[in-house]
Amino acid sequence: GPKVLQIPSHQIIDMGQMVTLNCDPVSNHLYFYWYKQILGQQMEFLVNFYNGKVMEKSKLFKDQFSVERPDGSYFTLKIQPTALEDSAVYFCASSPQGSSAETLYFGSGTRLTVL
Amino acid sequence: AQKVTQTQTSISVMEKTTVTMDCVYETQDSSYFLFWYKQTASGEIVFLIRQDSYKKENATVGHYSLNFQKPKSSIGLIITATQIEDSAVYFCAMREGSSNTNKVVFGTGTRLQVLP
Repeated sequence: GPKVLQIPSHQIIDMGQMVTLNCDPVSNHLYFYWYKQILGQQMEFLVNFYNGKVMEKSKLFKDQFSVERPDGSYFTLKIQPTALEDSAVYFCASSPQGSSAETLYFGSGTRLTVL
Repeated sequence: AQKVTQTQTSISVMEKTTVTMDCVYETQDSSYFLFWYKQTASGEIVFLIRQDSYKKENATVGHYSLNFQKPKSSIGLIITATQIEDSAVYFCAMREGSSNTNKVVFGTGTRLQVLP
């Protein structure tokens, strides 16, 4: 089936540094999402993105977070500066048109460890 | 605001039996879509089954089926003839039909262990 690729699978970084998580969504998909998961528990919605714009962001999407997809390349989540509480697994997802009935296609996640 | 609640943290069942996982949701929208996803031990998240709020029939896909009780805002996942490989974390999720942002909200997940 369609694949969402996330690079890297694991990233270790010192607190205060910047990190960029990369997501290669399914080709031709137009809606993109980031979710945060801690300790294999709840998938917390961070943000979704369409046509170059943030559609909605949650309270977890702090000012230090930003997303972009320059020129149709990777959909990225940037955290600058990182904090200890940012340690989690971040999942990228995409859907074709963003219609309400569509399912999400998930990447395999990037485990971020902030030291 | 939309909300999804899964109260069962963990369930263990014997292989080849039937299991039901609970999920209740909150929404002000008259149209919405409910989803179940499975997260395997490797972390992979895959879509299992969907229920559209305007459909009265319970959705069924393979050995997955849903128990949609709209008056109770409940959407249970039923797995029949469970197999060892069904062991995973199961997430209930919802997207509101009138949402102009297409946000999808997930529950906290239920860990299913299928024992031989």
